[in-house]
Amino acid sequence: GAGVSQTPSNKVTEKGKYVELRCDPISGHTALYWYRQSLGQGPEFLIYFQGTGAADDSGLPNDRFFAVRPEGSVSTLKIQRTERGDSAVYLCASSSQTSGSSYNEQFFGPGTRLTVL
Amino acid sequence: GNSVTQMEGPVTLSEEAFLTINCTYTATGYPSLFWYVQYPGEGLQLLLKATKADDKGSNKGFEATYRKETTSFHLEKGSVQVSDSAVYFCALKRANRDDKIIFGKGTRLHILP
Repeated sequence: GAGVSQTPSNKVTEKGKYVELRCDPISGHTALYWYRQSLGQGPEFLIYFQGTGAADDSGLPNDRFFAVRPEGSVSTLKIQRTERGDSAVYLCASSSQTSGSSYNEQFFGPGTRLTVL
Repeated sequence: GNSVTQMEGPVTLSEEAFLTINCTYTATGYPSLFWYVQYPGEGLQLLLKATKADDKGSNKGFEATYRKETTSFHLEKGSVQVSDSAVYFCALKRANRDDKIIFGKGTRLHILP
């Protein structure tokens, strides 16, 4: 079946512009995560959705970053007034809820590479 | 807070050499531990996992044992191949929770033919 997809695969923008990054999770997965991977670093957590609501947004670096998941499926990460330091690969992951399971694997998308000039 | 520390790369080995990539963690409670791999041009994928102390995760010839006494989860493979060249990330997640994964910085592995 189809995995997690992210669009666009690459985004180049100018400092100060607004960008939107889209994530399509695996069908039926109720949990959705956003991570940011800077060059030479491991992915860092940004926000986690359970259904339509943000269960944990503690990783969002500041109020320029916002994410939504209005129908509990597709999610959009929005970045206002972009800065050069926002340049990174933005990863999305999804997982299912399995009753009684101690672990629900997160499946990652290919990422969106954002470059802010 | 919870964190993961792994050996810095790059690590360069010849084909058929023995591989160890060290990983230690700091966490409250009993986290689940993972190794993820990122092959060139591909997305992040789970390589193996262990969910409790003394568990051994294994996949594709790689192994790692959850050592609570030393808070370690070292990745090993007896005989590496050129196709194992990738970036490897050690990671943890609080047990029984659907929340964030905490990753190490990654170790780039180069295997020479």
